[in-house]
Amino acid sequence: DIQMTQSPSSLSASVGDRVTITCRASQNIADYLNWYHQKPGHAPKLLIFAASSLQRGVPLRFSGTGSGTDFTLTIGGLQPEDFGTYFCQQSFTLPLFGGGTKVEIK
Amino acid sequence: VQLQESGPGLVKPSETLSLMCSVSGASFSTDYWAWIRQPPGQGLEFIGYIYYTGTTNYNPSLQSRVAISLDTSKTQFSLSVTSVTTADTAVYFCARYSSVSAGPNWYFDVWGPGTVVTVSS
Repeated sequence: DIQMTQSPSSLSASVGDRVTITCRASQNIADYLNWYHQKPGHAPKLLIFAASSLQRGVPLRFSGTGSGTDFTLTIGGLQPEDFGTYFCQQSFTLPLFGGGTKVEIK
Repeated sequence: VQLQESGPGLVKPSETLSLMCSVSGASFSTDYWAWIRQPPGQGLEFIGYIYYTGTTNYNPSLQSRVAISLDTSKTQFSLSVTSVTTADTAVYFCARYSSVSAGPNWYFDVWGPGTVVTVSS
């Protein structure tokens, strides 16, 4: 079974900082990797699909890279509304989410 | 496209949890329709999905207790979970599992707001 590991599990950063979140798959999943953002009390929102494609309407400060087993989500300049938890999800097999990365604004 | 979950917020242990997802603004004929849950303070767990043909696929860890069905005439799909325990307490989301031009990369692009289900006597 594929395992999805995110790091770090939490981070604190200031507005304007560049933030990087990593997701690692236990086996090669090509580019079958999506990223979501969830604010407390709300449903997750799709940010990036197919590892690097920006979902319509998502700000350009969000970007995704990677293929195979190692993937990265980068927020180019953290904004106050970017707090919350970020999840990766592989679609190579049945959907499986990473454990999440909680982002707090300093 | 909008999705909305509905169903009881409280279920007794050993009973069956039943939820409905109402879909507006979309056709059922091109995508998968999924259920995902999130226990309090935890991450996201895929439960299963159904294709418009009626084909289903479930998380192996839940497969023996879960069923998803589709009512295309009413543009609704439903979830049932049998023999629930307190471990089934969670926010339950319905979502569309879609792709660009039915290509190989699939993703959850539309979600309902979620409904809280508590299992307690």
